[in-house]
Amino acid sequence: KAGVTQTPRYLIKTRGQQVTLSCSPISGHRSVSWYQQTPGQGLQFLFEYFSETQRNKGNFPGRFSGRQFSNSRSEMNVSTLELGDSALYLCASSSSPGATDTQYFGPGTRLTVL
Amino acid sequence: GIQVEQSPPDLILQEGANSTLRCNFSDSVNNLQWFHQNPWGQLINLFYIPSGTKQNGRLSATTVATERYSLLYISSSQTTDSGVYFCAVDERGGSEKLVFGKGTKLTVNP
Repeated sequence: KAGVTQTPRYLIKTRGQQVTLSCSPISGHRSVSWYQQTPGQGLQFLFEYFSETQRNKGNFPGRFSGRQFSNSRSEMNVSTLELGDSALYLCASSSSPGATDTQYFGPGTRLTVL
Repeated sequence: GIQVEQSPPDLILQEGANSTLRCNFSDSVNNLQWFHQNPWGQLINLFYIPSGTKQNGRLSATTVATERYSLLYISSSQTTDSGVYFCAVDERGGSEKLVFGKGTKLTVNP
């Protein structure tokens, strides 16, 4: 069974631009969660989607948004990029919602904002 | 919200040595997972272990839910074990998200 895939793996953007990251979960999994990892704040939860609905959202500004498609693939969008958005963005796939079941992570997208 | 503390923050070993990593958490949990983050950033799932003991090769883990801690044991360490080990929990009746500790950075020297 293929694992979680994320594209692109690396991105370089400038302040003020917007970016879209993609995550394809393990086949059959309907929950996709997104996390941001920075050296200062560690791993922080962004949001979770299950069956195309956002179930939960972390403490991030409205510039961070996401969606999930009928095939469970998910995208997250960051608008008006700031230097502090430079981070590793990880998505996790699970068969059940709400982080109660095993979470499987993708390889991440490393975003650099100049 | 739930607090997750990992110790030690850094650990340096010689190849072949054994080690124990600890994760303390402040409230009851539905989910506890151990991850290994490789040098390229990917989080590899090691164990899903909200309670009890599991073993997988040279790695084993024990969670004592009533005392709110979990231990990850690495035996006969290899250089490929190097990386950061994270403990993450989902608080029972809580926010339905994984809360991560700050990690233990393990360096295994040849």
